[in-house]
Amino acid sequence: QKEVEQDPGPLSVPEGAIVSLNCTYSNSAFQYFMWYRQYSRKGPELLMYTYSSGNKEDGRFTAQVDKSSKYISLFIRDSQPSDSATYLCAMKETSGSRLTFGEGTQLTVNP
Amino acid sequence: DAGVIQSPRHEVTEMGQEVTLRCKPISGHDYLFWYRQTMMRGLELLIYFNNNVPIDDSGMPEDRFSAKMPNASFSTLKIQPSEPRDSAVYFCASSPIRGSQETQYFGPGTRLLVL
Repeated sequence: QKEVEQDPGPLSVPEGAIVSLNCTYSNSAFQYFMWYRQYSRKGPELLMYTYSSGNKEDGRFTAQVDKSSKYISLFIRDSQPSDSATYLCAMKETSGSRLTFGEGTQLTVNP
Repeated sequence: DAGVIQSPRHEVTEMGQEVTLRCKPISGHDYLFWYRQTMMRGLELLIYFNNNVPIDDSGMPEDRFSAKMPNASFSTLKIQPSEPRDSAVYFCASSPIRGSQETQYFGPGTRLLVL
């Protein structure tokens, strides 16, 4: 079983829709949770970062962490065609610098 | 800043050949990471360095893979001999700090195809 599970999709939504992306994990030592966005043929770029449990909002993006359920989410409001990309969740323990990534969810927002 | 620079951007080689991938991290970053991305396995950490010293190479798949960081501004990932199953996109990333916020900046990647 993988440490981090993420539905690869693909996920296709109309412009303006609310998008929900999710990851589950098995390692209770994970304390830092991140979402990366990767456009086609580009490297991943950090989108959101959260420490431990709770919510974090940045513009149209909201990240949620539920450590009791070992479940994290990324919500995109008023989705735009420019949001079309692959979204990868990533997690890290307190010690060390190793990130463990989900396999990514491919999102397409249709105009 | 130009960001993380990787070369070559594309590499096509034949099985058995030596492949060398290059990376220039962002100036001032202390950490450098090498990743491999495939459809089957996603993004996998191969090795990372702190201040030019390899810290964790547990992700290196086998002895055919080696990585070096001779100075703070240059790193190489070498595959010798290459095999078709090594075909993937290889990313280099660098990070300025360790601890509470792990912000890794990725390069554009090298697309490797081994025939």
